[in-house]
Parts: sequence; C-alpha cells; structure tokens
Amino acid sequence: EDQVTQSPEALRLQEGESSSLNCSYTVSGLRGLFWYRQDPGKGPEFLFTLYSAGEEKEKERLKATLTKKESFLHITAPKPEDSATYLCAVSYNDYKLSFGAGTTVTVRA
Amino acid sequence: GAVVSQHPSWVICKSGTSVKIECRSLDFQATTMFWYRQFPKQSLMLMATSNEGSKATYEQGVEKDKFLINHASLTLSTLTVTSAHPEDSSFYICSAKATGYPKNIQYFGAGTRLSVL
Repeated sequence: EDQVTQSPEALRLQEGESSSLNCSYTVSGLRGLFWYRQDPGKGPEFLFTLYSAGEEKEKERLKATLTKKESFLHITAPKPEDSATYLCAVSYNDYKLSFGAGTTVTVRA
Repeated sequence: GAVVSQHPSWVICKSGTSVKIECRSLDFQATTMFWYRQFPKQSLMLMATSNEGSKATYEQGVEKDKFLINHASLTLSTLTVTSAHPEDSSFYICSAKATGYPKNIQYFGAGTRLSVL
C-alpha cells in the first residue's frame, strides 16, 4: 500500500537553530514529491516539487532534497515566522496527492 | 500567480440543510480540481476529483449523494453538502491543478470551516 510517513510529528526550535524534517514514502510510479506549508485554519501553501532522486530546491531558509525513498526539508536559521505545519505529499499514477500527517514546527524567539 | 479562491471561509448551518462551497482558480485554467476534508490535527484526506465537464470521481467511502460536486467551467468547481449533519462538520479544502507546466502541482484554497448545529 502506498504510504507517506513524516517525522517528527512536532519540532520545537529556538530561533536560529537549524533542523531537518523527514518524509519517507513507499509508492510505485512516483510522479512527484511535494512540500506544502499550512498555517492554522488555512489551506496548504505550495513550497516545492521534486521529481527525481538527487534533485534539490531552495527558497529562502528552506531547502528540499529527494532520494529514492525519502525527502528532507532543511530549515536553516529559522525565524518565528517559519512556525507552521509542513506537509509532504506524493503524486502517483493518476496525479492524485497522498499526504503525510505533517510536522508541526514551532520556532521560539 | 496560481491563486485559488474558496468561498465561504466559514459557515454555520442547521442540521438537515444544504451548504454550497465554491472554489475558483483566479489566474489560471484548471481542468482538474480536488476536494479534501481535514479533521483537527490530521492531514488532508482526498474526497473527490473533479474534471471540467464530466462527473466527479469519488474516493472510497465518500457518499456521492451527500457531497455533490459540479465542475461547470475551467475556473469553477462547487461542493454541495446535502442534508448536513453534525458529523459533517469539518474543514473542507479545494485545490486546482494547473494545465501544462509545472505539472502535477496543486494549488489550494484557504479552506471552508463548516459547523453543523
């Protein structure tokens, strides 16, 4: 069964303390891996899409990487405004997205 | 670019009434739109896939007669929750997939909080 697992469930960081979030997946016919940011009571905001192992994408303090079995979202020197839930999703076969449960990041000033 | 508007953002209704939620792609054409449901502190669960001009495809366990989906144009899809009951209270989110490059990216609306009394 196709599955997306994110870890940790929650991450508390001090401002400036870099860390990484993990997204592991077991899916055949991967058509893309996606990272979204979701603030409370809002819809997910698109961050990155990765299509092949070895690919990397960067945006401000965020960097996403992809291997054949997992993806990492690295947060470098986070700020309080980076606090959010980060969702990982994979696209397979008919372009649907299968989401992980998310990692809730809290950055303290 | 790639803005998806969802309306209303919050709705309260009485049990037994119907509620319609609109999802619009504002600056791109979307042949495919998706409807999700999200419970507190849980991830998004796909309810149905909506294709312009054709019937929606529902995920297993989703009642198509309760959740009516219409995708009448390339920029508008609607979800109607019929005869709503308290157990239908949830956060409903739509997304739209832009045609062409970049492929497969879904852009999400801000969500609709439904409370059924």
